[in-house]
Amino acid sequence: GAGVSQSPSNKVTEKGKDVELRCDPISGHTALYWYRQSLGQGLEFLIYFQGNSAPDKSGLPSDRFSAERTGGSVSTLTIQRTQQEDSAVYLCASSSSGVGETQYFGPGTRLLVL
Amino acid sequence: AQSVSQHNHHVILSEAASLELGCNYSYGGTVNLFWYVQYPGQHLQLLLKYFSGDPLVKGIKGFEAEFIKSKFSFNLRKPSVQWSDTAEYFCAVISPFGNEKLTFGTGTRLTIIP
Repeated sequence: GAGVSQSPSNKVTEKGKDVELRCDPISGHTALYWYRQSLGQGLEFLIYFQGNSAPDKSGLPSDRFSAERTGGSVSTLTIQRTQQEDSAVYLCASSSSGVGETQYFGPGTRLLVL
Repeated sequence: AQSVSQHNHHVILSEAASLELGCNYSYGGTVNLFWYVQYPGQHLQLLLKYFSGDPLVKGIKGFEAEFIKSKFSFNLRKPSVQWSDTAEYFCAVISPFGNEKLTFGTGTRLTIIP
């Protein structure tokens, strides 16, 4: 079956522009996560969706970051007024319902803010 | 809050050498533990996981890890490495009774010399 997919694979943008990153989780997975992988910071949790519950946004670094998940499937991470420090690889993961279940990662979107 | 430490940032070994990568976590409660691997140009893949039971878990490609609760450790081992094991390895922990966030270590870059 298909794994987690993300688009675009690469995004170059100018400082101050908004960007949208998309994640398609594994079919049937109710939990969806966004992480950021950057040099010097490792892998950081950003946001977590589980079913119809309110998302856990505790990892979002600023109010310029937001995410939504439509229909319990596809998710979009939006970064407004991008800054150079937003440059990173943004990873999406999904897991089946159940606490502590294995998270399966997508290939990531490499974002470069000039 | 939970945290994960990987003390080896970059390990260089010759083929057929034995491997042990350290992972220590800080969290007082029950945890699920994971090792993920990221091969060059590829996305994060699950190597192995520990949820409960036998503290010695075996994963793909001949890797194993031992959960030692008293030492808060989950070290990764392989008796004889291959050139194809060149990758970055991440230890991660999640509390099954917590907020579902995977907390990652900073990763260990493994380079195998043919």
